[in-house]
Amino acid sequence: NAGVTQTPKFRILKIGQSMTLQCTQDMNHNYMYWYRQDPGMGLKLIYYSVGAGITDKGEVPNGYNVSRSTTEDFPLRLELAAPSQTSVYFCASSTTGLAVRSYNEQFFGPGTRLTVL
Amino acid sequence: GDSVTQMEGPVTLSEEAFLTINCTYTATGYPSLFWYVQYPGEGLQLLLKATKADDKGSNKGFEATYRKETTSFHLEKGSVQVSDSAVYFCALRTQGGSEKLVFGKGTKLTVNP
Repeated sequence: NAGVTQTPKFRILKIGQSMTLQCTQDMNHNYMYWYRQDPGMGLKLIYYSVGAGITDKGEVPNGYNVSRSTTEDFPLRLELAAPSQTSVYFCASSTTGLAVRSYNEQFFGPGTRLTVL
Repeated sequence: GDSVTQMEGPVTLSEEAFLTINCTYTATGYPSLFWYVQYPGEGLQLLLKATKADDKGSNKGFEATYRKETTSFHLEKGSVQVSDSAVYFCALRTQGGSEKLVFGKGTKLTVNP
């Protein structure tokens, strides 16, 4: 079981370039998430998905796009990279919450460190 | 909106010292509370959780008690080890059943031998 895998590990972009951060999970989880972690800050939710074909905005979606064509994959797209998008990006997944008081742990990938110059 | 406030870091301790990392929250209703840990170069891992008032979460010698009256969820460990050096994040999940988490800024802990 690989869990949640992310590629690439590191990337440097020039302003205005585009790229896709890849995320794959092999745990058959319904829910997937993208977070960004800025230095000295907590994680902020960019987008999330509750299942294939369904995505929704999180706290900081501007400048990003996502798609969820399969249960396993949840790529994050940056169309016009800006210096403000320099950050570490984490993908996570979890199973469906079955009840209000239940909690299904979010499993995180190792992250992608992105620098936009 | 919902928020989590953690004590400012970094925190530096000697091995076998007592650890407390403070966490308070603002949320409507009865959120679930969590501590996540991020070891160097890795993603976050769930350390412990509590889903209702007075619950105590525990794992790997770490403990935290859900205090509704003080809206707190402080992390404690009686005797830290060098291997506990990491960044610790307090987080909450809102009562509505959403899977979304709200994270604090994180507290970096360094334990020296």
